[in-house]
Amino acid sequence: DVKVTQSSRYLVKRTGEKVFLECVQDMDHENMFWYRQDPGLGLRLIYFSYDVKMKEKGDIPEGYSVSREKKERFSLILESASTNQTSMYLCASSSGYDEQYFGPGTRLTVT
Amino acid sequence: KNQVEQSPQSLIILEGKNCTLQCNYTVSPFSNLRWYKQDTGRGPVSLTIMTFSENTKSNGRYTATLDADTKQSSLHITASQLSDSASYICVVRVENAGNMLTFGGGTRLMVKP
Repeated sequence: DVKVTQSSRYLVKRTGEKVFLECVQDMDHENMFWYRQDPGLGLRLIYFSYDVKMKEKGDIPEGYSVSREKKERFSLILESASTNQTSMYLCASSSGYDEQYFGPGTRLTVT
Repeated sequence: KNQVEQSPQSLIILEGKNCTLQCNYTVSPFSNLRWYKQDTGRGPVSLTIMTFSENTKSNGRYTATLDADTKQSSLHITASQLSDSASYICVVRVENAGNMLTFGGGTRLMVKP
């Protein structure tokens, strides 16, 4: 079974803090993705990576950065968290153009 | 602009009843369409995938249909169970756009005993 894990299920941070969300997959997938999910807006792509040290902006990259130093790990970084970044964050991985497998999500609250 | 619209936004049905969820898309060129199920507090899990040439596909009590001419898909759930309570998300892949997906807003289904 493909397994995608995320470092935290729930996270509460203060405005201005630097936040790291980590995602690990165990299926040797080359592609990894970070989405945020907000009510009424569906899933929106923040960044994706198709190889180690490679990254591409998605639809809403502003305020975020990513890091992929190892194939199995993809980190999402909020350099200075703001209240409008309160959301559910979902990580996914895939091989080629196959199905994307999602992690359980991290619900981030920025106060 | 590529868009995926789902209806209804939410639905409440009694256990044992059937229901149908709708997905309309304007994505072009079309590659494939997936229905995902997302339980509360979990990530989405794929139920079915359909390509241009397929017009129906089943996965247990879930049956998806696709009309590529009208750009509509539906997900029919038969004999609903309490465990079907979840959000159902329609996702369309654009041809020649790599791994870019277009997500619908989802239908939140609640099955009551």
